[in-house]
Amino acid sequence: EIVLTQSPGTLSLSPGERATLSCRASQSVNNIYLAWHQQKPGQAPRLLIYGTSNRATGIPDRFSGSGSGTDFTLTISRLEPEDFAVYYCQQYGGSPEITFGGGTKVEIK
Amino acid sequence: EVQLVESGGGLVQPGGSLRLSCAASGFTVSSFWMHWVRQVPGKGLVWVSRIKSDGISTNYADSVKGRFTVSRDNANNALYLQMNSLRAEDTAVYYCARGGSGGSLADWGQGTLVTVSS
Repeated sequence: EIVLTQSPGTLSLSPGERATLSCRASQSVNNIYLAWHQQKPGQAPRLLIYGTSNRATGIPDRFSGSGSGTDFTLTISRLEPEDFAVYYCQQYGGSPEITFGGGTKVEIK
Repeated sequence: EVQLVESGGGLVQPGGSLRLSCAASGFTVSSFWMHWVRQVPGKGLVWVSRIKSDGISTNYADSVKGRFTVSRDNANNALYLQMNSLRAEDTAVYYCARGGSGGSLADWGQGTLVTVSS
């Protein structure tokens, strides 16, 4: 099983600041198979990034993804009020077929 | 517009059964991998099961293997999850999701809550 470890667990920032979220895999992940999701309280998750760096439809360009091998990063260049949420990385491949990281909560400082 | 609407959740006793449904619109379920993901309230996301576009290939998380069965109905454009021998640890919100590029989960339903308790 590929275990994804996200850090930090909580990120306290102010609107306008830059957020950098980390996702580390227990073994190498093909860049094609790494995604990021956003979840706000009481809502379903929403796909932000797929294939490490591709924004999903309708996702603003302040969201960007990067990385390779075992280390991946989601960056939010300038936090907007609606960006305060929990973010999950997700990988595909192996057994089980899909695993998620434990999540990073981005909260208002 | 893609929409996924889950239903069928509720309160069930340990050892009981429940069948979840996911009604899809805006796309054809037979053209995509379809998934079930669950989330204990306040906790993280856990993948449960998936069914391939051919309707034949299925996969399950070890924690539900042999108890849960995923299926779909092309005529009704719907996805199902039959859950048997339910346990307290199956209590969660269950989401259906459409598979996207690179194994991502491109679209999610709003979820349905399953509570297993006596």
